[in-house]
Amino acid sequence: GAGVSQSPRYKVTKRGQDVALRCDPISGHVSLYWYRQALGQGPEFLTYFNYEAQQDKSGLPNDRFSAERPEGSISTLTIQRTQQEDSAVYLCASSSQTGGGGNTIYFGEGSWLTVV
Amino acid sequence: AQSVAQPEDQVNVAEGNPLTVKCTYSVSGNPYLFWYVQYPNRGLQFLLKYITGDNLVKGSYGFEAEFNKSQTSFHLKKPSALVSDSALYFCAVRDRRGGFQKLVFGTGTRLLVSP
Repeated sequence: GAGVSQSPRYKVTKRGQDVALRCDPISGHVSLYWYRQALGQGPEFLTYFNYEAQQDKSGLPNDRFSAERPEGSISTLTIQRTQQEDSAVYLCASSSQTGGGGNTIYFGEGSWLTVV
Repeated sequence: AQSVAQPEDQVNVAEGNPLTVKCTYSVSGNPYLFWYVQYPNRGLQFLLKYITGDNLVKGSYGFEAEFNKSQTSFHLKKPSALVSDSALYFCAVRDRRGGFQKLVFGTGTRLLVSP
C-alpha cells in the first residue's frame, strides 16, 4: 500500500484479555518499528525488526508484550493479560533501509487501545 | 544518551503571523534531527529532517527548520501560520545505539493558530 497500515484502529478490551495489533509496512521497507504513545506524551520505542529478525526489544515494558514479523513484512504486536496501564496508542513505522543514513521513518495512523 | 527537549508545551499564534516551535538537542556525534506533526486522532506525519549540508531545511506544508550547532537547536518555523497548522509537533533525534536507527522523541508542543 501507499502508507503504513495498522489494524484495528480502535480497540476496547477488558482487563486480562489478550490483544493482537497488526501492522502492514510500506511495500519494500525492510525496517519495522513499534512505538507506544501515552496520552499527552511523545512516542516511546518498543521494538525493531530488520526483515524478519527482531533485533531490539529493549523497549518492551514486560514479558506480556511480544512482537513478530515471520515473513519480513506484516508484523503483529501481542499484549497478553492486558492491564489498564497498557491503554495507549500503538504506532507502527517503517523505513527503507537499516542502519544509518538518516532514512525517513514513516508512521501509521496508530492502534488506539483502551483497557477497561 | 541522545535526547531532544521541547521547552514549550503550547505555542499560540495568530493566523498570518510567523511561528516558531523550539527544539534543543543533546547528542554525541553528528545529529540527525527530524520534525513530525500529529493531527487529532492521527498518526505522525513527517515534515522535514536535517542530516547534513545547509542549516536551513525546507519541508512539507511550507515549514522549515534552522539547525544551529552552537546553540544545539533545531527550531521549526513557518513565515505565515494557518489555522489548519494547529496540531501537535514533535522533534526527534536519531539514536544509533545497537547498530540500527531509531528515533527518540521530545514531549511535543501543541500549536494553536487562532483566526
